[in-house]
Amino acid sequence: GNSVTQMEGPVTLSEEAFLTINCTYTATGYPSLFWYVQYPGEGLQLLLKATKADDKGSNKGFEATYRKETTSFHLEKGSVQVSDSAVYFCALLIKAAGNKLTFGGGTRVLVKP
Amino acid sequence: GAGVSQTPSNKVTEKGKYVELRCDPISGHTALYWYRQSLGQGPEFLIYFQGTGAADDSGLPNDRFFAVRPEGSVSTLKIQRTERGDSAVYLCASSQGVAGRTDTQYFGPGTRLTVL
Repeated sequence: GNSVTQMEGPVTLSEEAFLTINCTYTATGYPSLFWYVQYPGEGLQLLLKATKADDKGSNKGFEATYRKETTSFHLEKGSVQVSDSAVYFCALLIKAAGNKLTFGGGTRVLVKP
Repeated sequence: GAGVSQTPSNKVTEKGKYVELRCDPISGHTALYWYRQSLGQGPEFLIYFQGTGAADDSGLPNDRFFAVRPEGSVSTLKIQRTERGDSAVYLCASSQGVAGRTDTQYFGPGTRLTVL
Protein backbone atom coordinates (compact mmCIF):
# COMPACT_ATOMS: atom_id res chain seq x y z
CA GLY A 1 0.00 0.00 0.00
CA ASN A 2 0.87 3.68 0.04
CA SER A 3 2.28 5.39 3.10
CA VAL A 4 4.12 8.50 4.22
CA THR A 5 6.52 8.71 7.14
CA GLN A 6 7.51 12.00 8.71
CA MET A 7 9.88 12.81 11.52
CA GLU A 8 8.07 13.09 14.80
CA GLY A 9 7.86 16.41 16.54
CA PRO A 10 7.72 18.67 18.18
CA VAL A 11 10.60 20.49 16.58
CA THR A 12 11.59 23.56 18.57
CA LEU A 13 13.79 26.18 16.94
CA SER A 14 14.95 29.71 17.49
CA GLU A 15 14.03 32.42 15.01
CA GLU A 16 16.30 32.53 11.94
CA ALA A 17 17.37 28.90 12.44
CA PHE A 18 17.44 26.38 9.57
CA LEU A 19 14.50 23.98 9.43
CA THR A 20 14.42 20.51 7.91
CA ILE A 21 11.47 18.13 8.19
CA ASN A 22 12.15 14.69 6.78
CA CYS A 23 9.53 12.89 4.72
CA THR A 24 9.82 9.51 3.01
CA TYR A 25 7.16 7.57 1.18
CA THR A 26 6.18 4.15 -0.08
CA ALA A 27 3.99 4.07 -3.15
CA THR A 28 2.63 1.51 -5.61
CA GLY A 29 2.82 3.80 -8.59
CA TYR A 30 4.18 7.22 -9.45
CA PRO A 31 3.02 9.72 -6.83
CA SER A 32 2.69 13.47 -6.75
CA LEU A 33 4.03 14.85 -3.49
CA PHE A 34 2.72 17.65 -1.29
CA TRP A 35 3.41 19.59 1.86
CA TYR A 36 0.40 20.98 3.68
CA VAL A 37 0.54 23.31 6.68
CA GLN A 38 -1.94 23.80 9.49
CA TYR A 39 -1.48 27.05 11.41
CA PRO A 40 -2.99 27.29 14.90
CA GLY A 41 -6.76 27.59 14.67
CA GLU A 42 -6.80 27.35 10.88
CA GLY A 43 -7.51 24.71 8.24
CA LEU A 44 -5.03 22.77 6.13
CA GLN A 45 -3.37 24.83 3.42
CA LEU A 46 -1.25 23.62 0.53
CA LEU A 47 2.30 24.86 1.03
CA LEU A 48 4.00 23.38 -2.02
CA LYS A 49 3.93 20.40 -4.36
CA ALA A 50 5.98 18.48 -6.92
CA THR A 51 4.54 16.15 -9.52
CA LYS A 52 7.59 14.41 -10.98
CA ALA A 53 11.07 13.31 -10.02
CA ASP A 54 13.66 16.07 -9.49
CA ASP A 55 10.96 18.78 -9.43
CA LYS A 56 11.42 21.36 -6.69
CA GLY A 57 8.38 22.88 -5.06
CA SER A 58 8.78 26.23 -3.32
CA ASN A 59 6.62 28.75 -1.49
CA LYS A 60 7.05 31.30 1.34
CA GLY A 61 10.76 30.49 1.58
CA PHE A 62 10.11 26.75 1.95
CA GLU A 63 11.50 24.24 -0.56
CA ALA A 64 11.24 20.51 -1.14
CA THR A 65 12.75 18.39 -3.92
CA TYR A 66 11.15 15.18 -5.21
CA ARG A 67 13.84 12.51 -4.88
CA LYS A 68 12.70 9.30 -6.52
CA GLU A 69 15.93 7.43 -5.81
CA THR A 70 15.54 7.93 -2.05
CA THR A 71 11.70 8.14 -2.09
CA SER A 72 11.92 11.39 -0.14
CA PHE A 73 10.46 14.89 -0.16
CA HIS A 74 12.18 16.71 2.70
CA LEU A 75 10.96 20.21 3.58
CA GLU A 76 13.52 22.94 4.23
CA LYS A 77 13.57 26.61 5.11
CA GLY A 78 16.73 28.60 5.56
CA SER A 79 15.57 31.09 8.19
CA VAL A 80 12.38 30.44 10.11
CA GLN A 81 10.14 33.04 11.71
CA VAL A 82 7.82 32.81 14.69
CA SER A 83 4.93 32.89 12.21
CA ASP A 84 6.14 29.54 10.78
CA SER A 85 4.99 27.80 13.97
CA ALA A 86 2.47 25.24 12.74
CA VAL A 87 1.92 21.55 12.03
CA TYR A 88 3.36 20.38 8.71
CA PHE A 89 1.99 17.38 6.82
CA CYS A 90 3.67 15.52 3.98
CA ALA A 91 1.28 13.76 1.59
CA LEU A 92 1.19 11.80 -1.64
CA LEU A 93 -1.40 11.22 -4.34
CA ILE A 94 -1.39 8.65 -7.11
CA LYS A 95 -3.68 9.78 -9.89
CA ALA A 96 -4.10 6.30 -11.31
CA ALA A 97 -5.29 5.08 -7.91
CA GLY A 98 -7.88 7.81 -7.45
CA ASN A 99 -7.54 11.29 -6.12
CA LYS A 100 -7.12 10.55 -2.46
CA LEU A 101 -4.29 12.10 -0.50
CA THR A 102 -2.31 9.87 1.83
CA PHE A 103 -0.89 11.92 4.69
CA GLY A 104 1.94 11.45 7.12
CA GLY A 105 1.34 11.91 10.83
CA GLY A 106 2.36 15.56 10.88
CA THR A 107 5.28 17.40 12.47
CA ARG A 108 4.66 20.21 14.92
CA VAL A 109 7.15 23.07 14.62
CA LEU A 110 7.52 25.71 17.30
CA VAL A 111 9.69 28.74 16.56
CA LYS A 112 10.71 30.81 19.56
CA PRO A 113 11.73 34.48 19.36
CA GLY B 1 -13.53 34.20 -3.30
CA ALA B 2 -15.20 31.95 -0.75
CA GLY B 3 -13.35 28.85 0.30
CA VAL B 4 -14.68 25.49 1.42
CA SER B 5 -17.09 25.88 4.31
CA GLN B 6 -18.25 23.27 6.80
CA THR B 7 -21.07 23.26 9.30
CA PRO B 8 -21.31 22.90 12.17
CA SER B 9 -17.84 23.80 13.36
CA ASN B 10 -18.40 21.73 16.49
CA LYS B 11 -20.83 18.92 17.18
CA VAL B 12 -21.27 17.14 20.49
CA THR B 13 -23.52 14.11 20.52
CA GLU B 14 -24.25 11.07 22.61
CA LYS B 15 -23.25 7.53 21.78
CA GLY B 16 -25.81 5.90 19.54
CA LYS B 17 -27.15 9.12 18.02
CA TYR B 18 -27.24 10.06 14.33
CA VAL B 19 -25.28 13.07 13.03
CA GLU B 20 -25.00 14.93 9.74
CA LEU B 21 -22.02 17.04 8.75
CA ARG B 22 -22.28 19.48 5.86
CA CYS B 23 -19.72 20.67 3.34
CA ASP B 24 -20.03 23.54 0.85
CA PRO B 25 -17.25 23.27 -1.73
CA ILE B 26 -15.67 26.09 -3.71
CA SER B 27 -18.06 27.17 -6.45
CA GLY B 28 -17.40 25.31 -9.69
CA HIS B 29 -15.35 22.53 -8.12
CA THR B 30 -16.63 19.20 -9.33
CA ALA B 31 -14.52 17.02 -7.05
CA LEU B 32 -15.24 16.77 -3.33
CA TYR B 33 -13.45 14.75 -0.64
CA TRP B 34 -14.05 13.81 2.97
CA TYR B 35 -11.20 13.02 5.37
CA ARG B 36 -11.09 12.27 9.09
CA GLN B 37 -8.34 13.54 11.38
CA SER B 38 -7.93 11.97 14.80
CA LEU B 39 -6.02 13.84 17.48
CA GLY B 40 -2.31 14.01 16.77
CA GLN B 41 -2.57 12.21 13.44
CA GLY B 42 -2.71 13.09 9.77
CA PRO B 43 -5.99 13.17 7.89
CA GLU B 44 -7.29 9.84 6.56
CA PHE B 45 -9.31 9.57 3.37
CA LEU B 46 -12.96 8.58 3.62
CA ILE B 47 -14.72 9.21 0.29
CA TYR B 48 -14.34 11.11 -2.99
CA PHE B 49 -17.11 12.45 -5.23
CA GLN B 50 -16.78 13.43 -8.86
CA GLY B 51 -19.99 15.30 -9.56
CA THR B 52 -22.92 13.57 -7.90
CA GLY B 53 -21.42 10.10 -7.74
CA ALA B 54 -19.04 8.56 -5.24
CA ALA B 55 -15.98 7.70 -7.32
CA ASP B 56 -14.14 6.09 -4.39
CA ASP B 57 -15.64 5.23 -1.00
CA SER B 58 -12.92 2.82 0.02
CA GLY B 59 -12.02 4.84 3.12
CA LEU B 60 -15.41 4.66 4.82
CA PRO B 61 -14.72 2.58 7.95
CA ASN B 62 -18.04 0.70 8.05
CA ASP B 63 -21.67 0.87 6.96
CA ARG B 64 -22.55 3.38 9.70
CA PHE B 65 -20.88 6.02 7.53
CA PHE B 66 -22.57 7.33 4.41
CA ALA B 67 -22.17 10.44 2.28
CA VAL B 68 -24.25 12.06 -0.43
CA ARG B 69 -23.89 14.86 -2.93
CA PRO B 70 -27.26 14.91 -4.72
CA GLU B 71 -26.79 18.01 -6.87
CA GLY B 72 -23.05 17.85 -7.35
CA SER B 73 -22.33 20.72 -4.99
CA VAL B 74 -23.08 20.49 -1.26
CA SER B 75 -22.23 17.19 0.40
CA THR B 76 -23.47 15.67 3.64
CA LEU B 77 -21.58 13.06 5.64
CA LYS B 78 -23.95 10.96 7.72
CA ILE B 79 -22.96 8.84 10.68
CA GLN B 80 -25.46 6.45 12.24
CA ARG B 81 -25.29 4.96 15.74
CA THR B 82 -22.28 7.05 16.65
CA GLU B 83 -19.53 5.53 18.78
CA ARG B 84 -16.92 7.20 20.96
CA GLY B 85 -14.26 6.14 18.48
CA ASP B 86 -15.92 8.33 15.83
CA SER B 87 -14.73 11.43 17.71
CA ALA B 88 -12.41 13.32 15.37
CA VAL B 89 -12.21 16.35 13.11
CA TYR B 90 -13.98 15.69 9.83
CA LEU B 91 -12.41 17.59 6.96
CA CYS B 92 -13.89 18.36 3.59
CA ALA B 93 -11.88 19.39 0.54
CA SER B 94 -12.72 20.28 -3.03
CA SER B 95 -10.82 20.55 -6.28
CA GLN B 96 -11.53 21.50 -9.87
CA GLY B 97 -11.77 17.86 -10.90
CA VAL B 98 -9.96 18.24 -14.22
CA ALA B 99 -9.41 14.85 -15.80
CA GLY B 100 -5.80 13.77 -16.19
CA ARG B 101 -4.44 16.51 -13.92
CA THR B 102 -3.30 16.39 -10.34
CA ASP B 103 -5.65 18.93 -8.82
CA THR B 104 -4.90 20.91 -5.73
CA GLN B 105 -7.32 20.01 -2.95
CA TYR B 106 -8.54 22.97 -0.90
CA PHE B 107 -9.60 22.13 2.63
CA GLY B 108 -12.33 23.51 4.83
CA PRO B 109 -11.87 24.32 8.52
CA GLY B 110 -13.38 21.02 9.61
CA THR B 111 -16.14 19.88 11.94
CA ARG B 112 -14.98 18.69 15.35
CA LEU B 113 -17.22 15.77 16.35
CA THR B 114 -17.27 14.65 19.97
CA VAL B 115 -19.22 11.54 20.90
CA LEU B 116 -19.86 11.28 24.63
